[in-house]
Parts: sequence; structure tokens; C-alpha cells
Amino acid sequence: DIVMTQSPDSLAVSLGERATINCKSSQSILYSSNNKNYLAWYQQKPGQPPKLLFYWASTRQSGVPDRFSGSGSATDFTLTISSLQAEDAAVYYCQQYLAAPYTFGQGTMLEIK
Amino acid sequence: QVQLQESGPGLVKPSQTLSLTCTVSGASITSGNNIWSWIRQPAGKGLEWIGQIYSGGSTNYNPSLKSRVTISVDTSTNHFSLNVSSLTAADTAVYYCARGLFRYLDCWGHGTLVTVSS
Repeated sequence: DIVMTQSPDSLAVSLGERATINCKSSQSILYSSNNKNYLAWYQQKPGQPPKLLFYWASTRQSGVPDRFSGSGSATDFTLTISSLQAEDAAVYYCQQYLAAPYTFGQGTMLEIK
Repeated sequence: QVQLQESGPGLVKPSQTLSLTCTVSGASITSGNNIWSWIRQPAGKGLEWIGQIYSGGSTNYNPSLKSRVTISVDTSTNHFSLNVSSLTAADTAVYYCARGLFRYLDCWGHGTLVTVSS
């Protein structure tokens, strides 16, 4: 199985500041045939299902604010929130979907400082 | 707009089989690009991918559960189902169904809590 490791496990950021969450895969999830990274990011708020933020590592899902950005390639990926808003407090998960089982990272809890 | 809704028993006894259904609206379960998935989340913990079924009927399962899990599709009612056998307390979780587009999960149900207890 591909192991996904997120860092940090939790972070507290002030409103308006930048938040950065990292995700590392145990093997490359860049598929050479189409040059796509098989990585998604999700946001989960308490009592709600996860919500897709990004797929192919950096393609923003419709309706996601542009203060969110996804980047990275091969084994190292980053989710960045450029200017934190109160509604961004949540747990964030990365997931690889290159090879089944499509494993998730352990999650990063983002709190407002 | 695609919507998914899980249904099934909230309480199941150990060693029994769990059967959950996900009813899909706003999309055909036979549409070629859609992949129908199950994911679970124990209370206060992370997400675990259980498995998926393609519109054509082929399946992939998490090896950690593979021998106990079956996912199937009912095209007549536009729903898909999850069966998990030989339940233990470790199977207690919120179970989500979701739609995969090229495997990433773009639409999720609200989830249903399943408790395994005698």
C-alpha cells in the first residue's frame, strides 16, 4: 500500500495569515503516461462529510475559494491557504488515487489562533 | 446535482453482517465515468477507503477488509450496496458512500453511524 503522511498533525494560525499543510507519499504518485499526480485534498468540518478541494494535486474543485492552492509533484505535496478565514477551521486530508487501496493521510487539524 | 444518501441499521451485533445501501440521485449509476465508493471513519479518527465498484461491475477492495467486504450495484433502483461480514467492535464507524470521478471523490453522502455491539 502507498502510505500517505501529513505534517503537521495540527496547527494554529491567525486570521489573515498563511497556513501550509504538507503531504508525503511513500512512493511516487506521478503517472508518467499522462504526467498527472494522482492526489486529492479534502476538507472536513465537524459533523460533515469530507469536501473535495483539489484533484490532480492542483486542480481546484468548482466553488473552492482561490485563497486555497495545491502544489507539488511525485512524492511531496502542499496545500496552502493564503489568508486564513474563520470558516477554514477544519481537518484536511490528502488522498492518493493512483493505486488501490486509495489511501488517505492521517489528517491535519487546522485551528484559528 | 448529484446526491447520495446512505441507509441501513445503526446497530449490529458482533459476528453479524452489515448491509448498507447508497441511493444515488441526479446521476445514473451506470454512467461510464462514475465510480461508486465506500469509505469509513471511526469516531475521532481518520478516513479509511473500503472499496469501489465501476459502472461495469468490476470492483476493488482494501486488502485489510477484502475477505469480508462485498460491493454491488442495483441498476434497477439506482443504488449500490456494501456488505461487511464477521463484524467486530473495530468496525464501528461512520460509513460514507461517495462518487468517484476518475477515482477522486467529488460527491459524498452525509454518512451513517454504525455501531457494533451486543
